[in-house]
Amino acid sequence: AQSVAQPEDQVNVAEGNPLTVKCTYSVSGNPYLFWYVQYPNRGLQFLLKYITGDNLVKGSYGFEAEFNKSQTSFHLKKPSALVSDSALYFCAVRTAGGSYIPTFGRGTSLIVHP
Amino acid sequence: EAGVTQFPSHSVIEKGQTVTLRCDPISGHDNLYWYRRVMGKEIKFLLHFVKESKQDESGMPNNRFLAERTGGTYSTLKVQPAELEDSGVYFCASSQASGFSYEQYFGPGTRLTVT
Repeated sequence: AQSVAQPEDQVNVAEGNPLTVKCTYSVSGNPYLFWYVQYPNRGLQFLLKYITGDNLVKGSYGFEAEFNKSQTSFHLKKPSALVSDSALYFCAVRTAGGSYIPTFGRGTSLIVHP
Repeated sequence: EAGVTQFPSHSVIEKGQTVTLRCDPISGHDNLYWYRRVMGKEIKFLLHFVKESKQDESGMPNNRFLAERTGGTYSTLKVQPAELEDSGVYFCASSQASGFSYEQYFGPGTRLTVT
């Protein structure tokens, strides 16, 4: 069975500082990894995904994520946080060749302070 | 192009009552999915339609939940009778096809509160 862990319910960061939202996963095969963001009163929006290739994946709104196979992690990062980045972030995993239904983490609330 | 829409945005009902949630997918998307997030927990898959057929309903919690997609357009998810543990946010998503390369587009969700 596959699973995703987001160990932090909430991350607080000052505007302009770098941010990291953590995600670790467990799958039986090669993982496909995703990050989604939910802004208030909006649906989940796709941010980025890792399939294969470069371990550093760049996505929307200046976000990037680094795939680390040995640590089974896929942390979301941004060099300089904006107040408008405040939202709920979800990590998700699928297994290559497996179900097309993603397994999501519990979500991490990112709060960027002015 | 309009995105996935869901109605209502928020519903508050008493235990034992019935509630029907509606999802309108992106036009032309044959695949429609329902998910649920209970407060503070993971987003969990409920079921998947391909056109009007249920492709996978392995995530439906029990027979109090009934999903339909008559005509292969919009879908409804009925909870009858509602229980306290049904409270949460119900997301709908749609995609052109179900293969990996087809992204799922999510709606804003319906927040259901059962009191």
